[in-house]
Amino acid sequence: QSVLTQPPSASGTPGQRVTISCSGSSSNIGRRTVNWYQQLPGTAPKILIYSNSQRPSGVPDRFSGSKSGTSASLAISGLQSEDEADYYCAAWDDSLDGQVFGGGTKLTVL
Amino acid sequence: QVQLQESGPGLVKPSETLSLTCTVSGGSMSSNYWSWIRQPPGKGLEWIGYIYYSGGTTYSPSLKSRVTISVDTSKKQFSLRLRSVTAADTAVYYCARHPMWDGAFDIWGQGTVVTVSS
Repeated sequence: QSVLTQPPSASGTPGQRVTISCSGSSSNIGRRTVNWYQQLPGTAPKILIYSNSQRPSGVPDRFSGSKSGTSASLAISGLQSEDEADYYCAAWDDSLDGQVFGGGTKLTVL
Repeated sequence: QVQLQESGPGLVKPSETLSLTCTVSGGSMSSNYWSWIRQPPGKGLEWIGYIYYSGGTTYSPSLKSRVTISVDTSKKQFSLRLRSVTAADTAVYYCARHPMWDGAFDIWGQGTVVTVSS
């Protein structure tokens, strides 16, 4: 299983707000920044949120990230059909001395 | 803008060595870290390791004994070698850039499918 824990699935209707959680430990999220990636079907992952809450240029402000203690969250407001994708959290782990990912959350827009 | 492109054989026999190259275009390799990441069919992402443009490397502990990542800045390429492969190494392999050693992967290649089979 993955070092970072995410729910395998999430869903919402258009316009709704959804959140995806990412749980870690003191050796990763507890002391390092969290990044979020979006992977649309059949494509490479794309950076969505970096350094816990920063959005790269071009990412809509409907996407936001936060971190508290050893957990992080990705929130998507005003859900749109094109948001249907897999979402991954990631962070450096000091104990493993490597980058670790969550198992991914498949977001379905109903 | 910087773009990455993976290349290499799509089929590797069990016990042999998987070799892939990532070519960087549209920018310099300097002052950046360059990683390999893979995704088995229907599964999540796994980080393999990174190399700094000047040659320093860090590998995933789970793959360290079988992995070598190298760089050729004159060709603007970095490469992955994974020895003694098995079917469990079948995956889409991505190369990615990260400006900080522990930071976000801000640019990704499109990925290349590698199947391990006789």
